Amino acid sequence: DAGVTQSPTHLIKTRGQQVTLRCSPKSGHDTVSWYQQALGQGPQFIFQYYEEEERQRGNFPDRFSGHQFPNYSSELNVNALLLGDSALYLCASSLLSGDYGYTFGSGTRLTVV
Amino acid sequence: AQTVTQSQPEMSVQEAETVTLSCTYDTSESDYYLFWYKQPPSRQMILVIRQEAYKQQNATENRFSVNFQKAAKSFSLKISDSQLGDAAMYFCAYRSPINTGTASKLTFGTGTRLQVTL
Repeated sequence: DAGVTQSPTHLIKTRGQQVTLRCSPKSGHDTVSWYQQALGQGPQFIFQYYEEEERQRGNFPDRFSGHQFPNYSSELNVNALLLGDSALYLCASSLLSGDYGYTFGSGTRLTVV
Repeated sequence: AQTVTQSQPEMSVQEAETVTLSCTYDTSESDYYLFWYKQPPSRQMILVIRQEAYKQQNATENRFSVNFQKAAKSFSLKISDSQLGDAAMYFCAYRSPINTGTASKLTFGTGTRLQVTL
């Protein structure tokens, strides 16, 4: 049984470009959350998707957007990349309540140059 | 808004010894969940232990146990018989109770890097 799969594992982009990160949730999970983890920091909540809708957003600008597909997989899009967007982006899947825990992927390391 | 504080950026423990990692949090809610996650160099967050606030009994998972002090808003992690494989970043996290329209998001602390020495 596969856990959470994220792609790509590493990515280098230039300032101003756009990037799409992908996440496939653990089998049986219907909710996907995205987190940004800057170097030496704890993960920060970006947003969460359930039933193909954004349920809640953290303190991130509109340059960050997402999507959830009918098969529960999700994408995170970041437009007009800034140097400060360089971070590890983690995807976590769960059931909506989260009561049975969250399963995290190994993340995508994004470097903006 | 809820906040989670980990005041120990780094800790070191000798193999087979016991270490305690500290975590405090701030919330006005009475029902919530607390978690400890381990993040090794592989970057994947691995759940170590979780605690429901309404349960007075401290959670235990093999060598890992917590000291949950609800009134003090403290949630420390004790690792007994430390092993080399325990070396990692440890994050304390808080989750609000699920309500309509409220995401079950996790609020993380800044982490504690645990070193295990021979």
